[in-house]
Amino acid sequence: DAGVTQSPTHLIKTRGQHVTLRCSPISGHKSVSWYQQVLGQGPQFIFQYYEKEERGRGNFPDRFSARQFPNYSSELNVNALLLGDSALYLCASSRGGAGDNEQFFGPGTRLTVL
Amino acid sequence: AQSVSQHNHHVILSEAASLELGCNYSYGGTVNLFWYVQYPGQHLQLLLKYFSGDPLVKGIKGFEAEFIKSKFSFNLRKPSVQWSDTAEYFCAVNAPGGYNKLIFGAGTRLAVHP
Repeated sequence: DAGVTQSPTHLIKTRGQHVTLRCSPISGHKSVSWYQQVLGQGPQFIFQYYEKEERGRGNFPDRFSARQFPNYSSELNVNALLLGDSALYLCASSRGGAGDNEQFFGPGTRLTVL
Repeated sequence: AQSVSQHNHHVILSEAASLELGCNYSYGGTVNLFWYVQYPGQHLQLLLKYFSGDPLVKGIKGFEAEFIKSKFSFNLRKPSVQWSDTAEYFCAVNAPGGYNKLIFGAGTRLAVHP
């Protein structure tokens, strides 16, 4: 079975632009979570979606938004990019939405904001 | 608020040395505990997890971790490391039920020299 896939692999944007990152979960998984990993730090939780509804949101500004589609894939959108948004964005999928479901991570999208 | 502390940011060992990486968490209720590993150029992978039961948990590649509730700790151990264990190790915690939000520590970068 294919693991979690993310696209694109790398992305370079300039300040003020917006970006859309995409994630396809493992087949049969209904939950997708997004994390931001800044260099030298652990991943920080941004959003969780389960059955197409937002289940949780981390401490990120409203410039960050996401959605989940009927096939359980997900998009993360970031508007008005700042230099500090440069990071590795990770997507994780799990079978269910609760905390006792193991999360499987994708390879990430490396976003550089110039 | 939940938080995770990893005591060592960088660890350098020779092959066959024993490894112990410290992890402490701050949370007032029942928790699920995880250790993830990120090998160079690869995505985050689950090493082991603790949900309930025996506090000594065995994971992949000879790793184990012990949950000590009174100390809010979940230290990772391996009796004899190999060069291939060179990686970054992340401790993480979430709450059972609720939604699936992992709180990660800052990570420990392990370098094993032959």
